[in-house]
Amino acid sequence: DSGVTQTPKHLITATGQRVTLRCSPRSGDLSVYWYQQSLDQGLQFLIQYYNGEERAKGNILERFSAQQFPDLHSELNLSSLELGDSALYFCASSVSPSATLNYGYTFGSGTRLTVV
Amino acid sequence: EDKVVQSPLSLVVHEGDTVTLNCSYEVTNFRSLLWYKQEKKAPTFLFMLTSSGIEKKSGRLSSILDKKELFSILNITATQTGDSAVYLCAVISSGSTRQLTFGSGTQLTVLP
Repeated sequence: DSGVTQTPKHLITATGQRVTLRCSPRSGDLSVYWYQQSLDQGLQFLIQYYNGEERAKGNILERFSAQQFPDLHSELNLSSLELGDSALYFCASSVSPSATLNYGYTFGSGTRLTVV
Repeated sequence: EDKVVQSPLSLVVHEGDTVTLNCSYEVTNFRSLLWYKQEKKAPTFLFMLTSSGIEKKSGRLSSILDKKELFSILNITATQTGDSAVYLCAVISSGSTRQLTFGSGTQLTVLP
């Protein structure tokens, strides 16, 4: 157990629907990162939150949004789902920027989303 | 835009063989390069390399970074079936955001 908890583990939904993926970071970590891993794209950075605020944005579609709550858990919302959104969605957390070893980067087990 | 290219895409070897995985990168304000092993679930951390020419070792795995030529290699000696996985290379650039830019990975299959 890495300490980063993602739910649900698997999700199957129809096109056009909306889903919410949840991530609880490792205890003490303030940063949460979301990544998407699809077969043809590899691991792509989506968005980062630090202590409740958006810190950086990557290749995140406008149909996707995220937030980090006061208890530091984060949710990734995916709407108007398309077949191409089927992927493994990982959450990672890290300690403050002062950490040096591995940047304190720890990945959760991921949520596998299948859009049918 | 930061870019990471890994080669080969896929590799099949027999137990006991030695393999070398390659990672080249183009990064603005390079800070560090990380190697991960991914077996169906979350990527697990192997090495972080920041300084050029210094080898990191962990058992049968070792890695080195060449900041002049902008590449890194991951060596696995005396491979075992348990080494079968996707090996991911990622880079991180200086700055406060610290997101990782990943390569597409090398799928390693070790046959008994």
